[in-house]
Amino acid sequence: SQKIEQNSEALNIQEGKTATLTCNYTNYSPAYLQWYRQDPGRGPVFLLLIRENEKEKRKERLKVTFDTTLKQSLFHITASQPADSATYLCALAGNQAGTALIFGKGTTLSVSS
Amino acid sequence: KAGVTQTPRYLIKTRGQQVTLSCSPISGHRSVSWYQQTPGQGLQFLFEYFSETQRNKGNFPGRFSGRQFSNSRSEMNVSTLELGDSALYLCASSLQGDKSTDTQYFGPGTRLTVL
Repeated sequence: SQKIEQNSEALNIQEGKTATLTCNYTNYSPAYLQWYRQDPGRGPVFLLLIRENEKEKRKERLKVTFDTTLKQSLFHITASQPADSATYLCALAGNQAGTALIFGKGTTLSVSS
Repeated sequence: KAGVTQTPRYLIKTRGQQVTLSCSPISGHRSVSWYQQTPGQGLQFLFEYFSETQRNKGNFPGRFSGRQFSNSRSEMNVSTLELGDSALYLCASSLQGDKSTDTQYFGPGTRLTVL
């Protein structure tokens, strides 16, 4: 069956460093991958989408890579700040209309000052 | 413009009861998806509605059902509640439900506790 693993439940880093979160998947060939941020008591907020034919996507301090050979996506936050502390979720989907998003369980990032 | 709203925000029920949760999407959005979030299983897809039709369904028992109205508002119903149904239920809306182009906007969720 399809499986998504975000290989760290928690990641602690110091302010100013780059946070790198990993999303691995098996038994699936997604057309695209999304990253979300979720704060306690709130719904997820969309951050970035990357398609299977794209290697890298950037948005301000965020960078996502997508390696379909390794079946892996990396999510980087550069110059991290305490305000970046949250749970980050990756989600995969296929190309068909109405396709469901399959979410990983998330990595909780804590940035200390 | 107003975001996705979900009512109620918190709900406590007992085993065997049924519950109805409501979701109002962002104005103009025709696709509504429902998810269940638990610490053990994470975010799991329940179903998606588009133009009042269920377009996709996740791997949940028939006790979980939903519908969408002509104004795109959606409800989900859980009958014969079990302890394991305790979770955060999230709905998300998007323009057409195309996950490759449309951003999904999530509501704050309904926290359901089954005693």
